[in-house]
Amino acid sequence: KQEVTQIPAALSVPEGENLVLNCSFTDSAIYNLQWFRQDPGKGLTSLLLIQSSQREQTSGRLNASLDKSSGRSTLYIAASQPGDSATYLCAVRMYSGGGADGLTFGKGTHLIIQP
Amino acid sequence: NAGVTQTPKFRVLKTGQSMTLLCAQDMNHEYMYWYRQDPGMGLRLIHYSVGEGTTAKGEVPDGYNVSRLKKQNFLLGLESAAPSQTSVYFCASSGRALSTDTQYFGPGTRLTVL
Repeated sequence: KQEVTQIPAALSVPEGENLVLNCSFTDSAIYNLQWFRQDPGKGLTSLLLIQSSQREQTSGRLNASLDKSSGRSTLYIAASQPGDSATYLCAVRMYSGGGADGLTFGKGTHLIIQP
Repeated sequence: NAGVTQTPKFRVLKTGQSMTLLCAQDMNHEYMYWYRQDPGMGLRLIHYSVGEGTTAKGEVPDGYNVSRLKKQNFLLGLESAAPSQTSVYFCASSGRALSTDTQYFGPGTRLTVL
């Protein structure tokens, strides 16, 4: 059974710092990996999706990398801002004969950016 | 383009009552999913559907039923609610093609079972 772990569980940093969130998974036979953010009381917003054949994806100040063989992904946030405060979730999708397994989620990293 | 919408937003049930949660998407996505989110447990997949008329079990399907009679709708039913089903329920959808594989989530339904 796939297990996804996110470290750290919580992080508080001053505004302007660059930071790295970590995600690891136990089964490397993934189809893709997706990073989400979740604001309190809200749904999930997709940030980046990395296909299993890709090494990284970038969107603005966000960069996500994937090392499938070692079962690791990192989300890099550059020049952090108070608006980046949220819970960040990592999720993986496995290959399936049906082609559409749901996602297996980590428990998230709760990020606070201090003004 | 509303994306993924969920009805209702909040609901309180008594043990043994039944209810149906409705998910609708306007992105013409083939795949739809139901998850529940509990403190300390993260999000877990309940059921999913790969197309109209098809459903499949996820990680925690017991106590729930689903139906996908129309491509744009995915219903989650609780026949006899239990306090253990108190949770926040999220619906999501995605396309079949590689370029549309991102899962889009609804705002959630907060359910309390007394």
